[in-house]
Amino acid sequence: GAGVSQTPSNKVTEKGKYVELRCDPISGHTALYWYRQSLGQGPEFLIYFQGTGAADDSGLPNDRFFAVRPEGSVSTLKIQRTERGDSAVYLCASSLAASSYNEQFFGPGTRLTVL
Amino acid sequence: RKEVEQDPGPFNVPEGATVAFNCTYSNSASQSFFWYRQDCRKEPKLLMSVYSSGNEDGRFTAQLNRASQYISLLIRDSKLSDSATYLCVVNRGSNYKLTFGKGTLLTVNP
Repeated sequence: GAGVSQTPSNKVTEKGKYVELRCDPISGHTALYWYRQSLGQGPEFLIYFQGTGAADDSGLPNDRFFAVRPEGSVSTLKIQRTERGDSAVYLCASSLAASSYNEQFFGPGTRLTVL
Repeated sequence: RKEVEQDPGPFNVPEGATVAFNCTYSNSASQSFFWYRQDCRKEPKLLMSVYSSGNEDGRFTAQLNRASQYISLLIRDSKLSDSATYLCVVNRGSNYKLTFGKGTLLTVNP
């Protein structure tokens, strides 16, 4: 079956611009997670949704970052006034339900470069 | 101190070698433990979960010591295709987020 998909695969933008990154989870998965991976580091948690609501957004670095999941499926991560330090691979993952034992399946990521 | 710390690596080994990865975690409330594998410029994929009793999957053996807050992964008879970054991952359980170590790069040479 289809895995987690993310678009675009690459995004180059200029400092100060607004970007949207999209995640399409595996069908039927109610839990959705966003992570960010900088070069040479492991992924770092940003936010997770159970259904439509953001159950934990403690990893969002500041108020320039926002994510939505209005219908409980596709999610969009929005970054305002991008900065060079936002350059990273943004990974989305989904799981059947939010459980510490359910496998999280990752998408291929969006590589964001802020010039 | 980082919540999950791994051997910095990189590891370069010949085919057929046995290689061990070590990891420690700082939060004693952590509930579940995993090793993920990440190929270059690809997404992380679950390699195996780690249980207190230890578990084995073919050439791979994972162990957990809750008292020492230590996790290990052993790869026997390594193959060229095992070349990847191995990520130690911990889930605290209360919020389901995964906390990753920095990863250890393994290169298996012919």
